[in-house]
Amino acid sequence: GDSVTQMEGPVTLSEEAFLTINCTYTATGYPSLFWYVQYPGEGLQLLLKATKADDKGSNKGFEATYRKETTSFHLEKGSVQVSDSAVYFCALSVPMDSNYQLIWGAGTKLIIKP
Amino acid sequence: DTAVSQTPKYLVTQMGNDKSIKCEQNLGHDTMYWYKQDSKKFLKIMFSYNNKELIINETVPNRFSPKSPDKAHLNLHINSLELGDSAVYFCASSPLAVGLIETQYFGPGTRLLVL
Repeated sequence: GDSVTQMEGPVTLSEEAFLTINCTYTATGYPSLFWYVQYPGEGLQLLLKATKADDKGSNKGFEATYRKETTSFHLEKGSVQVSDSAVYFCALSVPMDSNYQLIWGAGTKLIIKP
Repeated sequence: DTAVSQTPKYLVTQMGNDKSIKCEQNLGHDTMYWYKQDSKKFLKIMFSYNNKELIINETVPNRFSPKSPDKAHLNLHINSLELGDSAVYFCASSPLAVGLIETQYFGPGTRLLVL
């Protein structure tokens, strides 16, 4: 079945370091791909998304490119800040009747030290 | 303006009790969801409602019963609470508009602790 695999956390970096959080997926068809972020004590919020192969989603300095050939959607940021500390979830969408269901990765906790 | 709101934010209760969590969205969305997040942050879909009709009902104990009185509300009632029900429960909603249909908007969560 459809699934999402994320790198296990926590990922601990120093401020201004380069960030990569790996995400690979298994899916039939051509799903849309998402990154959601969950800041401490809050609900999830959409960070970025890509709806077709080679699309690049970007927001708040984060980027991810939909790579069909490697079935990946890795999240990157050139220079992280302490405020980026959060849990990051990769997800893909699958059709469900007249709507969609999101298949979620396990989440990767990111800790940025000053 | 709160888009997706949940009450209560915290809920501490004894094993065996019955409790409800309420969710409201003012986004005009057609679809609403309940998720359970465990202590390791793993997120699991429980239910999904589309225009007050149940469309996803994952394998959860039948002690959990969702109720959608209208399109803007999806409440979760839990009977005979067990220790393993302790988790954070998130409500979410999504529109049916083309291009937005797969984006979900989450509430702040309800932290349930069963003693």
